[in-house]
This record gives sequence, structure tokens and C-alpha cells, in this order.
Amino acid sequence: GESVGLHLPTLSVQEGDNSIINCAYSNSASDYFIWYKQESGKGPQFIIDIRSNMDKRQGQRVTVLLNKTVKHLSLQIAATQPGDSAVYFCAENSGGSNYKLTFGKGTLLTVNP
Amino acid sequence: DAEITQSPRHKITETGRQVTLACHQTWNHNNMFWYRQDLGHGLRLIHYSYGVQDTNKGEVSDGYSVSRSNTEDLPLTLESAASSQTSVYFCASSENLVKETQYFGPGTRLLVL
Repeated sequence: GESVGLHLPTLSVQEGDNSIINCAYSNSASDYFIWYKQESGKGPQFIIDIRSNMDKRQGQRVTVLLNKTVKHLSLQIAATQPGDSAVYFCAENSGGSNYKLTFGKGTLLTVNP
Repeated sequence: DAEITQSPRHKITETGRQVTLACHQTWNHNNMFWYRQDLGHGLRLIHYSYGVQDTNKGEVSDGYSVSRSNTEDLPLTLESAASSQTSVYFCASSENLVKETQYFGPGTRLLVL
């Protein structure tokens, strides 16, 4: 079936390093993607999104890259800080006139001081 | 500021009881969603609504129901709570535009004994 998955379930980095979190998707019709951050005990928080007509989108310290050829999405966090420690997961909209999202299971990012 | 709230934040109930979880948003979003989040499964869609009087089943709708009598609220009812429904429940909303992000509430942690 169609699904969104993650390559790495856990990622540990040093404070100040750059972090890269990956996501693979299988639905070639997906044309809208979102990255969420979820801290312990809180709801998912929107970080950044990208539409399929783009390859790259930058926000504040975050960059999302989309490679439609291999159906791969990544989130890059520059100068990772302890406050970035959380679970990150990607979500996709499978195209067409629907508003539903399919979510990956998440990657736990731990930032070591 | 506009927001999305859930209540209660924590609930303990007994098997067989009816439970209703509240979700209220002040963004005037047409689309509202209920998810449950369990370890190993990520976010799974229970029910969703695209507007007043509209409700639809998600992938794990058995044992749950929703009603949409106004734009702001989408209460989730567990008709007869079961231990398998112990989970964290998140409500989300999005604008009535295709390919728009969903914004999440803080979650309700439900324990069914």
C-alpha cells in the first residue's frame, strides 16, 4: 500500500552540528509534503512544507529538499540546538481534491550539549 | 490569537463507558480531523470533517463517532470504551484549500481500565 516512511528511527547529534532527517514516500502522486516537530507531551508542530513543483525550500535554520525522482524528502536543521530535540515526522498529501495527510512514524532527534 | 484546544488533557475511564473528547478551533477552518497516536503506529486517522454536518470515517474508525454541528467544534465519542482505545488523541484543523497544512491541538491522553 501507499505509505510514508523514515530511513532512520533515531539520530543523535552534537550541539552546533547540522542534522539531516530523511523520509521516503511511495506514492508518486503525492504533491505536497510537510515536516512536523513533536516535543514530548505536546502536539505536532508545523515546521515547513514544500510543494512538488519545488526542489528546495528554506526556513529559519531549516531546509527541506524534495527529490521526486527517487521519492525522497529530507529535513536539514542548521546549527542544531538542544531545543531541537524532538520527534520529527514527515507527512504527504496524496494529490487530488482531498485534504487528508499520511504521516510517517517519526525520527527521534537527540541533541547532545 | 486563533488556536485549537482539546479537553480534557488527561482522562481515565472504565471499560464500557461512553467518553467524549472535545476539540475546539478558532481559526474558522472548515476541515477538522481526529487522530490517535500509538507507539509503532504513528498518527492514524479516526474521523474527519470537511464542514458543518459533514463527517467521514478514517482508517481506524470502529468504536468512534463524531458530529459537526458548527465550524468550531468536532467532538469525538467513544461509544463503549475498550482497553485497546488507550492512546493519545490529537485533533487537527486545516483551511478549506487543497494542500494545506494541518494544525494540531495539544492532545488528550486517555487511559481505559
